[in-house]
Amino acid sequence: SQQGEEDPQALSIQEGENATMNCSYKTSINNLQWYRQNSGRGLVHLILIRSNEREKHSGRLRVTLDTSKKSSSLLITASRAADTASYFCATGKSGGYNKLIFGAGTRLAVHP
Amino acid sequence: NAGVTQTPKFQVLKTGQSMTLQCAQDMNHNSMYWYRQDPGMGLRLIYYSASEGTTDKGEVPNGYNVSRLNKREFSLRLESAAPSQTSVYFCASSEGAGGNQPQHFGDGTRLSIL
Repeated sequence: SQQGEEDPQALSIQEGENATMNCSYKTSINNLQWYRQNSGRGLVHLILIRSNEREKHSGRLRVTLDTSKKSSSLLITASRAADTASYFCATGKSGGYNKLIFGAGTRLAVHP
Repeated sequence: NAGVTQTPKFQVLKTGQSMTLQCAQDMNHNSMYWYRQDPGMGLRLIYYSASEGTTDKGEVPNGYNVSRLNKREFSLRLESAAPSQTSVYFCASSEGAGGNQPQHFGDGTRLSIL
């Protein structure tokens, strides 16, 4: 079963524009992570945000977390063609071994 | 730095055949995972190994077995392949507990079952 669900499923923008992807989840979490997957490759970890954090930055990436709404967003500023990829959110649930549960992803296309 | 290495990269099997997917990591990580990725479904956890010597079922373990050979290596075996097992298989590792830390992924094995 999927815990995180990304929205939109697909996003097409021009270089230089900002891209925003959203993730909603259903149960209490310990942390939420964002990953990028280039075509034909494995997933690459981007950012981990813990449940007691509200915002985190890494270069051109900004992640927010709203635990009251059970949602997160990933903002990529000043996008580049190289940002073209699928982006996945993954949640680590509170309690137990904390396996990551992945959403179905957002496919981002950045056009030159 | 190799990170997580998966072999083979591609494989075609006939229904009923068996095979083992290999995975090795060189980051001295304690935990390792096997996922499958199907179109529109995201990644689903098949099995994981929290530490050397332990393995546990994930979300979709039926039809698979695993072996944590040592700290570096974690293999996935299909005993009698079925067309429903056609997928892309990813191995991952993390330093500690799977949901609390970033996971590092290999580039996948693309498996087709005819």
